[in-house]
Amino acid sequence: QVQLVESGGGLVKPGGSLRLSCAASGFSFSDTYMSWIRQAPGKGLEWVSLISSSGSYTNYADSVKGRFTVSRDNAKTSVYLQIHNLRAEDTAVYYCARDPHISGLVTNWFDPWGQGTLVTVSS
Amino acid sequence: EIVLTQSPATLSLSPGERATLSCRASQSISSDLAWYQQKPGQAPRLLFYDASNRATGIPARFSGSGSGTDFTLTISSLEPEDFAVYYCQQRSNWPLTFGGGTKVEI
Repeated sequence: QVQLVESGGGLVKPGGSLRLSCAASGFSFSDTYMSWIRQAPGKGLEWVSLISSSGSYTNYADSVKGRFTVSRDNAKTSVYLQIHNLRAEDTAVYYCARDPHISGLVTNWFDPWGQGTLVTVSS
Repeated sequence: EIVLTQSPATLSLSPGERATLSCRASQSISSDLAWYQQKPGQAPRLLFYDASNRATGIPARFSGSGSGTDFTLTISSLEPEDFAVYYCQQRSNWPLTFGGGTKVEI
């Protein structure tokens, strides 16, 4: 079945960097758009970034543009989120999610989601 | 940026009752809306896409409706497992945005 497993979260000092990973299985990863979505503790959901199936197209929320970089390795069926210059407001659970490509089309919906990895930014 | 406003913030109901959740967009988004359910300690799960299309495995007691700026998620008769937080999401414009959520509690 479809599985997404995030890793790489942890406690980081302000200004630090981190690389999150999402290992995918159970579907044709190289044909699938992927996204990162985050959720601050006790708060709602915020879309962060999207990457196309080939990796040639990416998009970011304004709040992370210039500090976050999304990439993928189709041979390893993994997607990554490189985060630089971390701020306290980046503290959140980071989820990766698959575009379900309903009827073979890019939908910009999210299904399923991984269980998330917690990033805490604190001195 | 399209702002999605969900109401009410909290809905206090009992099992067997009907739940009606609202999501209002700051501008028309046609039917480009999805609903997600999130239980404590779990990732969100897709319930509906394109406003009214039920995702795989979602029970028939859930229904989605609306277009333009006003959307509704209805749970016809609440089961104990339905008590959760529900989010709407639009894909009409970048950036993709979510509503603030409605908590359905007992």
